[in-house]
Amino acid sequence: ETGVTQSPTHLIKTRGQQVTLRCSSQSGHNTVSWYQQALGQGPQFIFQYYREEENGRGNFPPRFSGLQFPNYSSELNVNALELDDSALYLCASSLGEYTEAFFGQGTRLTVV
Amino acid sequence: AQKITQTQPGMFVQEKEAVTLDCTYDTSDPSYGLFWYKQPSSGEMIFLIYQGSYDQQNATEGRYSLNFQKARKSANLVISASQLGDSAMYFCAMRERGDQFYFGTGTSLTVIP
Repeated sequence: ETGVTQSPTHLIKTRGQQVTLRCSSQSGHNTVSWYQQALGQGPQFIFQYYREEENGRGNFPPRFSGLQFPNYSSELNVNALELDDSALYLCASSLGEYTEAFFGQGTRLTVV
Repeated sequence: AQKITQTQPGMFVQEKEAVTLDCTYDTSDPSYGLFWYKQPSSGEMIFLIYQGSYDQQNATEGRYSLNFQKARKSANLVISASQLGDSAMYFCAMRERGDQFYFGTGTSLTVIP
């Protein structure tokens, strides 16, 4: 086990709704990043937080937003859900540059 | 241009044999890290091996080794003595200067008994 936990593991939402996904990072890791993995694809970077500040963002619209808390846990919020938001959402924590990231088991979001 | 390219959508290997999964990368940054992750059907990305751009020797971790050819910008994963539990998706990834991970499209490995 990596020490990174995500909740919930599965979620079904209706188009137009809002969703919050949660991630508890590995102890001591100050960097958390979120990825979206569509079926049959590699993970795509959404954004990254370092010590509670967003320090990198991928090509995702503003309705994807996040937070990192003082204990380095994190949330991913998605507003106005669309059918194409259906995917596995992965949270990863790491410590320092170039180091490996440890991933949680993911949240599988289905938008109907 | 794609940062990471994996050209093998699917691979088959006989149990106990070795297999090489291909990965090429594209970067102009002299400092970067290369990673391989395994993703079973459960979804979790499991870290396998890391190679830094300045590392002189190829990385090894148990049955995993990374064949790093910097001039060719390739970072192939070699799995020796394949086991049935190795059947999974394998992703090559690159990280530049603490930035995001760039992932390839993955290779599905099936180990045949």
